[in-house]
Amino acid sequence: EDQVTQSPEALRLQEGESSSLNCSYTVSGLRGLFWYRQDPGKGPEFLFTLYSAGEEKEKERLKATLTKKESFLHITAPKPEDSATYLCAVQARYPGKSTFGDGTTLTVKP
Amino acid sequence: GAGVSQTPSNKVTEKGKYVELRCDPISGHTALYWYRQSLGQGPEFLIYFQGTGAADDSGLPNDRFFAVRPEGSVSTLKIQRTERGDSAVYLCASSPSGGAGETQYFGPGTRLLVL
Repeated sequence: EDQVTQSPEALRLQEGESSSLNCSYTVSGLRGLFWYRQDPGKGPEFLFTLYSAGEEKEKERLKATLTKKESFLHITAPKPEDSATYLCAVQARYPGKSTFGDGTTLTVKP
Repeated sequence: GAGVSQTPSNKVTEKGKYVELRCDPISGHTALYWYRQSLGQGPEFLIYFQGTGAADDSGLPNDRFFAVRPEGSVSTLKIQRTERGDSAVYLCASSPSGGAGETQYFGPGTRLLVL
């Protein structure tokens, strides 16, 4: 059974203090690893898709990386508007179902 | 273009009642997914449609839950004899063709509260 574990559960940073969020996964035949951002009361907003170990993607202050067992979401010089819950999900060899972790709730204080 | 839309945004019902939740996917997307999210947890897969047919309904918790997509566009999730444990946010997502590894785009969700 596919499993996704995210750590830490919660992270509090000062504005400008860089850090990383971890997503560890167990899946039979990874077809894609996804990062989403979710604001309170909203649906998940797509950030990145990673397909193979060694792949990296960047968007503004965010950078996602992938190994064979985990993915990291690096946040450089975060701002208060980066405060949200960040969700990681995987898809295995069969289409359809995404398996999600429980997310990391990031709070960036000014 | 327009994203995934869901109605109603909030639904309050009483235990034992029947509810219907609607999802309108991104235009042209053939794959549609329903997930359920409880407070403090990640979304949990319920069902996946490819066109009009349910390709995978392995996540539906029991036979009180049923979903349809009769014309391959709009989908309705139906819950019979609601229970307090059904209270959650019901999320809908769509993707262009449903291939493995394809990005799923989510709607805002319907917040269901069963009293």
